[in-house]
Amino acid sequence: DAGVIQSPRHEVTEMGQEVTLRCKPISGHDYLFWYRQTMMRGLELLIYFNNNVPIDDSGMPEDRFSAKMPNASFSTLKIQPSEPRDSAVYFCASRHTDSYNSPLHFGNGTRLTVT
Amino acid sequence: AQRVTQPEKLLSVFKGAPVELKCNYSYSGSPELFWYVQYSRQRLQLLLRHISRESIKGFTADLNKGETSFHLKKPFAQEEDSAMYYCALAPHASGGSYIPTFGRGTSLIVHP
Repeated sequence: DAGVIQSPRHEVTEMGQEVTLRCKPISGHDYLFWYRQTMMRGLELLIYFNNNVPIDDSGMPEDRFSAKMPNASFSTLKIQPSEPRDSAVYFCASRHTDSYNSPLHFGNGTRLTVT
Repeated sequence: AQRVTQPEKLLSVFKGAPVELKCNYSYSGSPELFWYVQYSRQRLQLLLRHISRESIKGFTADLNKGETSFHLKKPFAQEEDSAMYYCALAPHASGGSYIPTFGRGTSLIVHP
């Protein structure tokens, strides 16, 4: 298995532009998480899905952020319009609930720079 | 509410020195604790979990419920241990419906 796949690895954009981050979870995993990593705040949970349904989006910072999971093998995180303070590394993670408290499997992350 | 505190943002040691990365938690129920590691420009990955009671890459961590701590220790640090370390807490729940809470992370630098 290739693991959780995120694209792009790097994204540089100008303030005001729309940004779309993509994630392909591990096949068979029924939970998908989006995290944001910054030096100041560490790893923050933005939103998570269970069986493609958004369960908790309370971590999404503003209405400029939105996430979708149209099927079990794909999710997107969109920022529109982007701002410089959105610059961070965004991680996607997935897990399967076949075992007690199974760990998260993370993607390589997308490093977003908004100028 | 559950909370994980890693008091040190940065820990710098020399090769061969002992290492202890601190993690304290706050949770009213019975928690499960994890340590994740992120090597430079790589993905976060699970290092160890307290229920496994195992040593991974020479690291161990003991859950101390009295002190609500889960410190990560290694007796002799190696340069390849340099990485970002995250402590995480999950409720002791069956069915896999837990959502982990992460600490802010500690950057470990091991100097030659």
